[in-house]
Amino acid sequence: KAGVTQTPRYLIKTRGQQVTLSCSPISGHRSVSWYQQTPGQGLQFLFEYFSETQRNKGNFPGRFSGRQFSNSRSEMNVSTLELGDSALYLCASSISGTGAFFGQGTRLTVV
Amino acid sequence: AQKVTQAQTEISVVEKEDVTLDCVYETRDTTYYLFWYKQPPSGELVFLIRRNSFDEQNEISGRYSWNFQKSTSSFNFTITASQVVDSAVYFCALSEPRTSGTYKYIFGTGTRLKVLA
Repeated sequence: KAGVTQTPRYLIKTRGQQVTLSCSPISGHRSVSWYQQTPGQGLQFLFEYFSETQRNKGNFPGRFSGRQFSNSRSEMNVSTLELGDSALYLCASSISGTGAFFGQGTRLTVV
Repeated sequence: AQKVTQAQTEISVVEKEDVTLDCVYETRDTTYYLFWYKQPPSGELVFLIRRNSFDEQNEISGRYSWNFQKSTSSFNFTITASQVVDSAVYFCALSEPRTSGTYKYIFGTGTRLKVLA
């Protein structure tokens, strides 16, 4: 069974640009969550999608948005990038409360 | 409020030493799950173990063992005879059902383990 796939693995963007990250969950998993991890920081919850609907949102500005498609794949978008958005973005898929399974992450660098 | 506390920010041990990573949680729910994840330098969080709130049996998997005690709301993780490859950040987490029908995962701040050769 394939795991969670995140693309791309690495990105370098310039301040002011926008970026889209992609996450393909484990087959059969309908819940996809996104987290931001900055150096030395824990996991900051961004948002969660279930059945194409955003069910929960963390405390991030509106520049961070996402969506989920009918095949449960999810995308996350960050507009007007700032230097502080440089981070590892992790996607997790789950089928219930019995475990969240993570992708390898996308390492975003904003210069 | 739900919370997961990993008081140890960083631990350094010499190879072959045993090390215990502490995790204390808070929840009002009677049904929940507890987890440990390992994050090596590559970045991916690797699922290590899950425990449900009704199962207090300790578990051993090779050099890894977990001690779940509801009386103290703790779910500690011990690595026996540590190896350099165990060097990573370890996260403890708790999941609870949300009113939206999905599950909320709450992560601790992580413990960085350095195993020195």
